[in-house]
Amino acid sequence: AQKITQTQPGMFVQEKEAVTLDCTYDTSDQSYGLFWYKQPSSGEMIFLIYQGSYDEQNATEGRYSLNFQKARKSANLVISASQLGDSAMYFCAMRAPQSGAGSYQLTFGKGTKLSVIP
Amino acid sequence: EAGVAQSPRYKIIEKRQSVAFWCNPISGHATLYWYQQILGQGPKLLIQFQNNGVVDDSQLPKDRFSAERLKGVDSTLKIQPAKLEDSAVYLCASSLASGSGTDTQYFGPGTRLTVL
Repeated sequence: AQKITQTQPGMFVQEKEAVTLDCTYDTSDQSYGLFWYKQPSSGEMIFLIYQGSYDEQNATEGRYSLNFQKARKSANLVISASQLGDSAMYFCAMRAPQSGAGSYQLTFGKGTKLSVIP
Repeated sequence: EAGVAQSPRYKIIEKRQSVAFWCNPISGHATLYWYQQILGQGPKLLIQFQNNGVVDDSQLPKDRFSAERLKGVDSTLKIQPAKLEDSAVYLCASSLASGSGTDTQYFGPGTRLTVL
């Protein structure tokens, strides 16, 4: 079974500073995908960034980058130059084949609440 | 491009009542998902549709929850009868296809259900 662990329930960062949100995962599959989503207080889950298990380069999307360390099974999200609007819950998720169901399932961690301080 | 639409945004009911949620996915997305997100946790998949067929409903409490996706577009999720522990946000998501690990899911704004 797939498992995602986010060990930081809450994080604080000063505006304009960089912050790293931790994510470790557990799977026996060789092919999988790792995602980060942002959930503001409004409730919508916003897709931020994707990393494939076979991708050799770390993914980047604007101010977001994913620090992928396959051997350590970690996929940390780095946000550079934090902004007040970055305050939200951040979820790490993994998409891997769901045994017996013939489908791919997205498994989420419990999330990290990021607060950006002016 | 319009995103995933959900309604209602909020619903308050008493236990043992029934409730229904509606979702309209992004145009052209074949796969539709319903998730339950309890306060303080990440979303948990309830059911996944590919066009109008069910791909995975292994975590759907079938004694009280039902879902359908007629004509492979809109979907409804129903709870009957509701229990206190059903209080949660119900998220709908859609993606182009479920055939690969790169398939990105896009979420709607969710329906916040409170069962009293």
